[in-house]
Amino acid sequence: LAKTTQPISMDSYEGQEVNITCSHNNIATNDYITWYQQFPSQGPRFIIQGYKTKVTNEVASLFIPADRKSSTLSLPRVSLSDTAVYYCLVGADDKIIFGKGTRLHILP
Amino acid sequence: EPEVTQTPSHQVTQMGQEVILRCVPISNHLYFYWYRQILGQKVEFLVSFYNNEISEKSEIFDDQFSVERPDGSNFTLKIRSTKLEDSAMYFCAFSTGFDEQYFGPGTRLTVT
Repeated sequence: LAKTTQPISMDSYEGQEVNITCSHNNIATNDYITWYQQFPSQGPRFIIQGYKTKVTNEVASLFIPADRKSSTLSLPRVSLSDTAVYYCLVGADDKIIFGKGTRLHILP
Repeated sequence: EPEVTQTPSHQVTQMGQEVILRCVPISNHLYFYWYRQILGQKVEFLVSFYNNEISEKSEIFDDQFSVERPDGSNFTLKIRSTKLEDSAMYFCAFSTGFDEQYFGPGTRLTVT
């Protein structure tokens, strides 16, 4: 499984766009990039998954450059309720190995 | 979003006792998982279960742990003789395959 590196924590303000970048230099050809969100005392929740270029859903966008060695999760116009831990995961099967994630704190 | 339920929400047990944590799966989701999260630490994979058998397990999932689908519906995690270090949140999750996993709300296990 490819190792991922993401910032330990980030602060932002309500209404701002937040971009969280994840490095995965050893990503394999078959690997997908997946992001999960976790609120305190709750289970992780799937946000978005992609293989290359750009993926967008109702919650977020995922930008993946051509070399796929990094990816950026973009959260448009965040609110206080987006305060959570965000995990970047890379893999080709169903086994999820969570890292420490990025603790995002949204300020009013 | 499909809803996963887990019971109990909180379990307190004494060291050495057996506990069974239960999870109600989502229909048509054939891949089952258990994870745990010690307070303040990252989520750790325990075991994956498919077609009524374990497909993969981590180093944490030793002989003290077992998983079952006792009645073809509920999905259980049993810890035979609990230790203090088993205190954690335990999450079950389901998927249809190699895609997103749906996590339950978790069971907080406290071993005293």
